[in-house]
Amino acid sequence: AQKVTQAQTEISVVEKEDVTLDCVYETRDTTYYLFWYKQPPSGELVFLIRRNSFDEQNEISGRYSWNFQKSTSSFNFTITASQVVDSAVYFCALSKPNTGTASKLTFGTGTRLQVTL
Amino acid sequence: ETGVTQSPTHLIKTRGQQVTLRCSSQSGHNTVSWYQQALGQGPQFIFQYYREEENGRGNFPPRFSGLQFPNYSSELNVNALELDDSALYLCASSSGVRTGSNEQFFGPGTRLTVL
Repeated sequence: AQKVTQAQTEISVVEKEDVTLDCVYETRDTTYYLFWYKQPPSGELVFLIRRNSFDEQNEISGRYSWNFQKSTSSFNFTITASQVVDSAVYFCALSKPNTGTASKLTFGTGTRLQVTL
Repeated sequence: ETGVTQSPTHLIKTRGQQVTLRCSSQSGHNTVSWYQQALGQGPQFIFQYYREEENGRGNFPPRFSGLQFPNYSSELNVNALELDDSALYLCASSSGVRTGSNEQFFGPGTRLTVL
């Protein structure tokens, strides 16, 4: 069975601070995919990144960066110089590879990020 | 390119009633997945439809059913509503079905309240 744990329920930071959202996953598959989604108050899940299990290279996209460590089964997300517009709930998710079954996403419980002025 | 749309936005029903939620997939996408998101929780997979057939189901009872139409739009039907069915129902579309890497594009959701 697959499982995603986001231990941080809620984080509050002041604008311009850096913040890291933790994600730990469990899977028996050797090939899998990891995702981060952002859910603003409007409710729509916004895709941020996808990473496959064979690619442990860290990625940076503007103020966002992701640290994938297979040895600790973690896929952490860092926002540098946070802004008020970053306030949202962030979900980490896990997906199975091409196995002939539905490519469902298994989500964590989310981390609510509140950025204040 | 039109994104994923869902209707209605909000819905209030009473226990025991039936409800139908609708989803239009993104242009070019042939796969639709439905998720239930209870308050304060992550989305939970209900089922997925590919080319008008159910292609996998999560841990939800048979009173949750669905349809996919030739234009790849989809419906989620819930019979005999229970209070615990109150949640945000999210629809996601993607291209292909059996590739876990495919990005799923989510709609804005339907907020269902069961009284």
